[in-house]
Amino acid sequence: KAGVTQTPRYLIKTRGQQVTLSCSPISGHRSVSWYQQTPGQGLQFLFEYFSETQRNKGNFPGRFSGRQFSNSRSEMNVSTLELGDSALYLCASSQGQGASIWFFGQGTRLTVV
Amino acid sequence: KNQVEQSPQSLIILEGKNCTLQCNYTVSPFSNLRWYKQDTGRGPVSLTIMTFSENTKSNGRYTATLDADTKQSSLHITASQLSDSASYICVVSPMTNNNDMRFGAGTRLTVKP
Repeated sequence: KAGVTQTPRYLIKTRGQQVTLSCSPISGHRSVSWYQQTPGQGLQFLFEYFSETQRNKGNFPGRFSGRQFSNSRSEMNVSTLELGDSALYLCASSQGQGASIWFFGQGTRLTVV
Repeated sequence: KNQVEQSPQSLIILEGKNCTLQCNYTVSPFSNLRWYKQDTGRGPVSLTIMTFSENTKSNGRYTATLDADTKQSSLHITASQLSDSASYICVVSPMTNNNDMRFGAGTRLTVKP
């Protein structure tokens, strides 16, 4: 069974641009969550989706948005990029909404210049 | 103040030695506590997950303990191997939302030959 797949693996953007990151969960998993990881802040929760509905949202500005499709695949979008948005963006999937194991993808390394 | 504090921040040990990583949390009431291993450039991988009623959970050479009274958890690694070099992240979820994960900053472990 394939793991969580994130694309692209690496991305370089300039300030002011927008970016869309993609995440394909493990087959059969319906929950997807997104995280931002920076050396200074560690892992920070962005949002969580289950059955195309956003269930939980972290403390990030409105420039960060996401969605989940009917096949459970998810995208996150960051508009008007800032230098501080440079980070590793991780996606994780799990089967349901209980205390299940979350499986992480390799992440997308975003660099804003 | 972070609700999940890990110590030490970094650790260097010799191959074959044991080590113990600490996690103190203030999330209360909490639902479950997880330990993840993250290799450089990769996504975190789940090692153990314990509910509030469990005291210990093992996964091969990894043993996690939990003291819900003192709000402390530890991850003990036995007979360390070079491949154990990674960041180890403690994650606590509140009772209100199993999937609302609060992350520690991680302990960076380096195993030297």
